[in-house]
Amino acid sequence: AQKVTQAQTEISVVEKEDVTLDCVYETRDTTYYLFWYKQPPSGELVFLIRRNSFDEQNEISGRYSWNFQKSTSSFNFTITASQVVDSAVYFCALSEAGGGSNYKLTFGKGTLLTVNP
Amino acid sequence: DGGITQSPKYLFRKEGQNVTLSCEQNLNHDAMYWYRQDPGQGLRLIYYSQIVNDFQKGDIAEGYSVSREKKESFPLTVTSAQKNPTAFYLCASSLSAHYNEQFFGPGTRLTVL
Repeated sequence: AQKVTQAQTEISVVEKEDVTLDCVYETRDTTYYLFWYKQPPSGELVFLIRRNSFDEQNEISGRYSWNFQKSTSSFNFTITASQVVDSAVYFCALSEAGGGSNYKLTFGKGTLLTVNP
Repeated sequence: DGGITQSPKYLFRKEGQNVTLSCEQNLNHDAMYWYRQDPGQGLRLIYYSQIVNDFQKGDIAEGYSVSREKKESFPLTVTSAQKNPTAFYLCASSLSAHYNEQFFGPGTRLTVL
């Protein structure tokens, strides 16, 4: 069974600080996908990144970066020089590709990030 | 603009009434999904549809029903059998079930009084 754990329920930082959101996953499949979504106060989930299990290269997109480590089953998300607009709930999600179940995203419970001015 | 629309944004109903939540997409996506979100919780899958006229139960389907008569539309009915229907409901779609990057609508907040 697949599972995603986001141990940090809430994080509060001051603007311009760097912040890392942790995500640990469990799966028996060798082929799977990992995702990060952002949910601002408006409620709509915004897609940030998708990474497949065969690509362990770290990715950087502007102030966002992701560190995928299969050895520790982690897919952590770092925001550099945080801004007030980064305040949101961030969800990590996992999708297994085998057994016809690749429709299903399993979400973590989310981390509420508050960036204070 | 391409996207997913959900209506209404806020919905109030009396206990014991059925209520239908709308979800429409103009992305030409084959697959559509309904999720439920409770405070402090992640999203849980209610139903999904990989193609028109086909749908499957998710993890928490009891007390809900869906239909998929058109590619663009995937309405969700919350029936009186759902024990605790007050929640935030999110609809999503993806190009296909095998291409699992899902795009989400703005959500409907249902409150049962």
